[in-house]
Amino acid sequence: DADVTQTPRNRITKTGKRIMLECSQTKGHDRMYWYRQDPGLGLQLIYYSFDVKDINKGEISDGYSVSRQAQAKFSLSLESAIPNQTALYFCATSGPTSGGTDTQYFGPGTRLTVL
Amino acid sequence: AQKITQTQPGMFVQEKEAVTLDCTYDTSDQSYGLFWYKQPSSGEMIFLIYQGSYDEQNATEGRYSLNFQKARKSANLVISASQLGDSAMYFCAMRPFSNYQLIWGAGTKLIIKP
Repeated sequence: DADVTQTPRNRITKTGKRIMLECSQTKGHDRMYWYRQDPGLGLQLIYYSFDVKDINKGEISDGYSVSRQAQAKFSLSLESAIPNQTALYFCATSGPTSGGTDTQYFGPGTRLTVL
Repeated sequence: AQKITQTQPGMFVQEKEAVTLDCTYDTSDQSYGLFWYKQPSSGEMIFLIYQGSYDEQNATEGRYSLNFQKARKSANLVISASQLGDSAMYFCAMRPFSNYQLIWGAGTKLIIKP
């Protein structure tokens, strides 16, 4: 089984709809991240969480919100989706078990299309 | 400013040849980590190799090695004996130890020719 899972893997929605992307991990990591990747570009950080009670905005948090329901679960919401939020969304985790390097390990990604 | 620069948008390499993907970085932190990730066409992001700023030896992981030149602020990825399955996007990233955020380069698209 994958260590970091994301649901759904693909989603097509309409402008104005509320969307939730979910991430779960079995790596035992305390830090979790949400990234966005636009076609042909690198990753941009949306939100990150160091533990259940600690949530921080990344460089592109406008239009997004997150919830850390448990150490292993971190969800991303688009309150009112717009077409320029069409992108590939990644969840990642890191923590002390990464060998001291704080390496981030990624889920398989969610392809979101907003029409 | 913290920044990662990958100057090669795309590269074509013959199968079985070695390939070097360039990465330069800019940071005012004395302690930092450097990472390389591979993104195949299927989309997943795969961690390849890590180099710490205080590591005296270049990191190696199988066919991957990192040519770390601290004074030049470069962290080039070397893939030996390239294979068709190495065709992918490759991203260089840096984490200054003053925070936990990764700073990403724009990536290099590597295509291995048979």
